[in-house]
Amino acid sequence: NAGVTQTPKFRILKIGQSMTLQCTQDMNHNYMYWYRQDPGMGLKLIYYSVGAGITDKGEVPNGYNVSRSTTEDFPLRLELAAPSQTSVYFCASSTEGGVFFGQGTRLTVV
Amino acid sequence: EDKVVQSPLSLVVHEGDTVTLNCSYEVTNFRSLLWYKQEKKAPTFLFMLTSSGIEKKSGRLSSILDKKELSSILNITATQTGDSAIYLCAVYRSGNTPLVFGKGTRLSVIA
Repeated sequence: NAGVTQTPKFRILKIGQSMTLQCTQDMNHNYMYWYRQDPGMGLKLIYYSVGAGITDKGEVPNGYNVSRSTTEDFPLRLELAAPSQTSVYFCASSTEGGVFFGQGTRLTVV
Repeated sequence: EDKVVQSPLSLVVHEGDTVTLNCSYEVTNFRSLLWYKQEKKAPTFLFMLTSSGIEKKSGRLSSILDKKELSSILNITATQTGDSAIYLCAVYRSGNTPLVFGKGTRLSVIA
């Protein structure tokens, strides 16, 4: 049972580059989330989705975009990477039984 | 605006001490409260609590929800250095709304 799978695990980007963080879950969960976590801090919600075709902004959406074309996949796109986006990114999915996290992507923008 | 507030934000204790972490919430349509422990990677699930008020226990950790006070506590007895982590509290709400996380409590246990 794979759960929530994120790729890549690590990435270094140059300022202005773009990239997509991939997230897929095999639990048929409707709810999916993207969080970022800065060093020593808690989680901040970037975007979330309550089902295929439906996405909404969280508390820190600027500089990011998402799509949810299928129940399984919820990619996060950075269009013009900035140093302020250096962080660890977590994808999660949830059901009433709990929240399941991916292992995270450590992104550094230089 | 829905919010989850954890206290303290950070805590340093010695091995063997007992600690109590707090989580208070102001949310609409509360369903359940979850506690997570985060070390170096993704948060790992500890407990889910509902308005039933039933205490949950796992080894040296225990947690309970006070629905009247809109809060929960996480107790850790006989702390060990391996308990050092960020402890996150999150609240589940009814309807198409995301989880609300608190900012976490950073616990450091020193020998």
